[in-house]
Amino acid sequence: ILNVEQSPQSLHVQEGDSTNFTCSFPSSNFYALHWYRWETAKSPEALFVMTLNGDEKKKGRISATLNTKEGYSYLYIKGSQPEDSATYLCAFQGSGAGSYQLTFGKGTKLSVIP
Amino acid sequence: NAGVTQTPKFRVLKTGQSMTLLCAQDMNHEYMYWYRQDPGMGLRLIHYSVGEGTTAKGEVPDGYNVSRLKKQNFLLGLESAAPSQTSVYFCASSPARTNSNQPQHFGDGTRLSIL
Repeated sequence: ILNVEQSPQSLHVQEGDSTNFTCSFPSSNFYALHWYRWETAKSPEALFVMTLNGDEKKKGRISATLNTKEGYSYLYIKGSQPEDSATYLCAFQGSGAGSYQLTFGKGTKLSVIP
Repeated sequence: NAGVTQTPKFRVLKTGQSMTLLCAQDMNHEYMYWYRQDPGMGLRLIHYSVGEGTTAKGEVPDGYNVSRLKKQNFLLGLESAAPSQTSVYFCASSPARTNSNQPQHFGDGTRLSIL
């Protein structure tokens, strides 16, 4: 069973603050790292799929970086807004057997206080 | 813009009853997946399918069966429901991994309670 860890488990920030959280994953047999945003009572929504070491992706105020050699990815939110409140999931996709599968972390639950 | 549709959305069963959860996608995706989500746990893969007529076990397959008779549908069956199967079940689909950068698209979930 692959180990995908996310930290912190939960986070409370004030509106306007910038924040970041971490996903760590196996550094071997890497194919892709996925980030999803999951609002309560809705379905997970894809943010990024990252495949290249050193890659950085951006969508509005949200960005992510990837380090496949050391096995971590950071998700950044600039100027947090209440609508950013959600659980952010990362998922590791390996290149070996079972490469169709994603192994998810437990998520970081972000609450943005107005 | 249906995407991935799961039915039913909620269900309460008694121990030992059977039921089938239906997942339908209209994006012509090759791959489909069933996950369960439990408090304090990440999404865990139950079974998946890489094409019509094919299925494979994921991380937690025991107590479940699946079928993919049509490309657009992926069924998850509980033959004899147990309280440990109380969970929220998510279906997802994705294109075949011939191109990179393909996320999975999720349904809204089915909340299942086994009494």
